[in-house]
Amino acid sequence: NAGVTQTPKFRVLKTGQSMTLLCAQDMNHEYMYWYRQDPGMGLRLIHYSVGEGTTAKGEVPDGYNVSRLKKQNFLLGLESAAPSQTSVYFCASRVLGSYEQYFGPGTRLTVT
Amino acid sequence: ELKVEQNPLFLSMQEGKNYTIYCNYSTTSDRLYWYRQDPGKSLESLFVLLSNGAVKQEGRLMASLDTKARLSTLHITAAVHDLSATYFCAVDDASYGKLTFGQGTILTVHP
Repeated sequence: NAGVTQTPKFRVLKTGQSMTLLCAQDMNHEYMYWYRQDPGMGLRLIHYSVGEGTTAKGEVPDGYNVSRLKKQNFLLGLESAAPSQTSVYFCASRVLGSYEQYFGPGTRLTVT
Repeated sequence: ELKVEQNPLFLSMQEGKNYTIYCNYSTTSDRLYWYRQDPGKSLESLFVLLSNGAVKQEGRLMASLDTKARLSTLHITAAVHDLSATYFCAVDDASYGKLTFGQGTILTVHP
């Protein structure tokens, strides 16, 4: 049982490049979330999903897209990376009916 | 819009001392979470507080929730160096478990 995993762990992009971050969970959780963490601001919700095939916007969705084609995977895409998207990205998941969110190890993204 | 504010943002303590971190939030909620984060690491769940008056303790840390005052506290008793970390509170808006986080409190415990 690996819990919540994120791929990659580190990435450096040039402005305008695109990439996809993968979040995978093996706990059969319904809810999945993408957060970003910037210094002094805590974590902010980007997008979330309440089940396979569904996604919704969070607090800071601009510049990101997401997909949840399989229940266990939640993908976060950056179509045209900007320096303002330099951040640490955390994925989390939660089972329906529970209050505990399980966080992945994070992906550190730098956009130059 | 739900806002969550922590204070202090920086806390330098001596070992053996007691202190409290405060978490204020702006809307009614009876679900509050405390997390710990070590540098370069992910978030570790410390406490989940689910009702008014809830109190939970683990070792030298005790968390409480007052939903009427929209306030949670994290009390540190007899601090030790191993407690040095960043502590976050987060509030669940009861809509699909979306969390709104405070800014975090960077705690440093000195000998």
